[in-house]
Amino acid sequence: AQSVAQPEDQVNVAEGNPLTVKCTYSVSGNPYLFWYVQYPNRGLQFLLKYITGDNLVKGSYGFEAEFNKSQTSFHLKKPSALVSDSALYFCAVRDMNSGYSTLTFGKGTMLLVSP
Amino acid sequence: DTGVSQDPRHKITKRGQNVTFRCDPISEHNRLYWYRQTLGQGPEFLTYFQNEAQLEKSRLLSDRFSAERPKGSFSTLEIQRTEQGDSAMYLCASSGGGDFQPQHFGDGTRLSIL
Repeated sequence: AQSVAQPEDQVNVAEGNPLTVKCTYSVSGNPYLFWYVQYPNRGLQFLLKYITGDNLVKGSYGFEAEFNKSQTSFHLKKPSALVSDSALYFCAVRDMNSGYSTLTFGKGTMLLVSP
Repeated sequence: DTGVSQDPRHKITKRGQNVTFRCDPISEHNRLYWYRQTLGQGPEFLTYFQNEAQLEKSRLLSDRFSAERPKGSFSTLEIQRTEQGDSAMYLCASSGGGDFQPQHFGDGTRLSIL
């Protein structure tokens, strides 16, 4: 079985400061990891993905994520937060060795960036 | 690329009625997914199509739920005899190419059961 944990329901950060949104995962095989963002009453927008290769993945809107196999983590980061980054962020995982195409999502972390 | 389109955006119905939602994926995408999202939760997988074939179904998809994708284009999700617990946002996503392409989501259909 595959699972994702986002330990923080909410993250608060001041505009201009760096932000981190945490994600840990559990799969029996190799992970395929995603971050998505959701604005109110909208669907999810893809930010970035990790398959293999460099542990630091760069994505849309200045976001990046760091894959750490030993800690089974895939934290989302941004060097300088914007008020417009305020939204709900979801981490998702797929077990590449499972034979299934489905993604398992975390419960989400609300990011609030204050001016 | 006009994105994934879902219709209707909102549906209010009485308990016991049947409802049907439609999803139009990005035109060149051969994979289509349905998810359900309740308040405070991430999307939960319901079912997956590759072209017209329904390849995976979640245990969440009870006998009252049925999905189709005729001709491998748009898809419909029908819920029969709706229950209060069916109230949720129903999201459709599509992806193209190989296994490693990201899923692109529509804005969802919000279902409210009175």
